[in-house]
Amino acid sequence: ETGVTQSPTHLIKTRGQQVTLRCSSQSGHNTVSWYQQALGQGPQFIFQYYREEENGRGNFPPRFSGLQFPNYSSELNVNALELDDSALYLCASSLVGRIETDTQYFGPGTRLTVL
Amino acid sequence: GESVGLHLPTLSVQEGDNSIINCAYSNSASDYFIWYKQESGKGPQFIIDIRSNMDKRQGQRVTVLLNKTVKHLSLQIAATQPGDSAVYFCAEWPLGDGGGADGLTFGKGTHLIIQP
Repeated sequence: ETGVTQSPTHLIKTRGQQVTLRCSSQSGHNTVSWYQQALGQGPQFIFQYYREEENGRGNFPPRFSGLQFPNYSSELNVNALELDDSALYLCASSLVGRIETDTQYFGPGTRLTVL
Repeated sequence: GESVGLHLPTLSVQEGDNSIINCAYSNSASDYFIWYKQESGKGPQFIIDIRSNMDKRQGQRVTVLLNKTVKHLSLQIAATQPGDSAVYFCAEWPLGDGGGADGLTFGKGTHLIIQP
């Protein structure tokens, strides 16, 4: 186990609703990255948070937003849900420093189903 | 755009045999490569990583080989066990400069099936 936890485990929403997913990073890690994994595909990078600010973003629209808190935990918010948002949402934590990139360790994910 | 891809979607091996999972990458600027294992219903689990200044790295029962000339990465699993059944992803970090702001780029995965 990595020590990265996510909640909830499963979630069902309807199109147009909003959802908030939560992630607690591994102890000692200061960076959280979020990924979307569609069925049968590899994870796709949504964004990363470092020092409570968005540190980089993949090809996702602005209705995907996030937060990072002083304890390094993080939230992913998705507004105006669409059917294609149905996926496994993964959180990964890492310790990013100036010299080298540390490995990203993933949580178990939240399975979001949009009806 | 450039992306990481895998050669085979499914690989079936006999228990006890060695497995080799391949990965091709196209971003010549990639500096850092990671192999993840994902079991059904779980998040990706780190297996082993390698930086571009190396061509081989060994772990417990696993070896990663990097051929920068042909932009090819492979994962070798020795004496495959039933618990090795999973989907294996290679991922690359294009910059590897400590920022990680671009995130990991994953391939689609190879499903490793262990036959008794």
